[in-house]
Amino acid sequence: DAEITQSPRHKITETGRQVTLACHQTWNHNNMFWYRQDLGHGLRLIHYSYGVQDTNKGEVSDGYSVSRSNTEDLPLTLESAASSQTSVYFCASSDRTGSYNEQFFGPGTRLTVL
Amino acid sequence: QKEVEQNSGPLSVPEGAIASLNCTYSDRGSQSFFWYRQYSGKSPELIMSIYSNGDKEDGRFTAQLNKASQYVSLLIRDSQPSDSATYLCAVPPWRDSNYQLIWGAGTKLIIKP
Repeated sequence: DAEITQSPRHKITETGRQVTLACHQTWNHNNMFWYRQDLGHGLRLIHYSYGVQDTNKGEVSDGYSVSRSNTEDLPLTLESAASSQTSVYFCASSDRTGSYNEQFFGPGTRLTVL
Repeated sequence: QKEVEQNSGPLSVPEGAIASLNCTYSDRGSQSFFWYRQYSGKSPELIMSIYSNGDKEDGRFTAQLNKASQYVSLLIRDSQPSDSATYLCAVPPWRDSNYQLIWGAGTKLIIKP
């Protein structure tokens, strides 16, 4: 069955370190998204991609970067982790061929920055 | 700015009763609407999609869309403790071909046994 996986599921890191969160989908979807979810803020879009070599900034992109070298993967990098980036991170994907924009989510990564 | 508004709750409903969750949106041209369920510590899961005015039923769930009033609701009949979760409303902006969704902050639903 097609799915989205994220790794690691839990990560503890220190301030200033570079961290990469992996997202892999087997839906063959063109669109991929990274969100963070914090109490009181709901889902906030960090970065998104509509295909290989395409990346775009979302509403909370500062301190984050992504790259898309193939259809299946969109890794999220925190260049220099800050305590404000402690959050739960979700990856999602959707199919460009439809017009209804349903997004399907991975299980999430809980990141703690000490 | 395009917005999706939900009452954050918590909404407490007795087991077996009907739970009613509401969502209003600002983009009058939006054409499709989604309800996601999120259990504590889990990821959002799509449970209902609705694209035209009126009601759409799927088992115990009914989505109701009123484009003139710009609201969409989710009714859960015969509520069960397993329905306790946060329900997120999501709406794609009209005339925006970038496949994004605008998310409400979610309503926390508690079903009391």
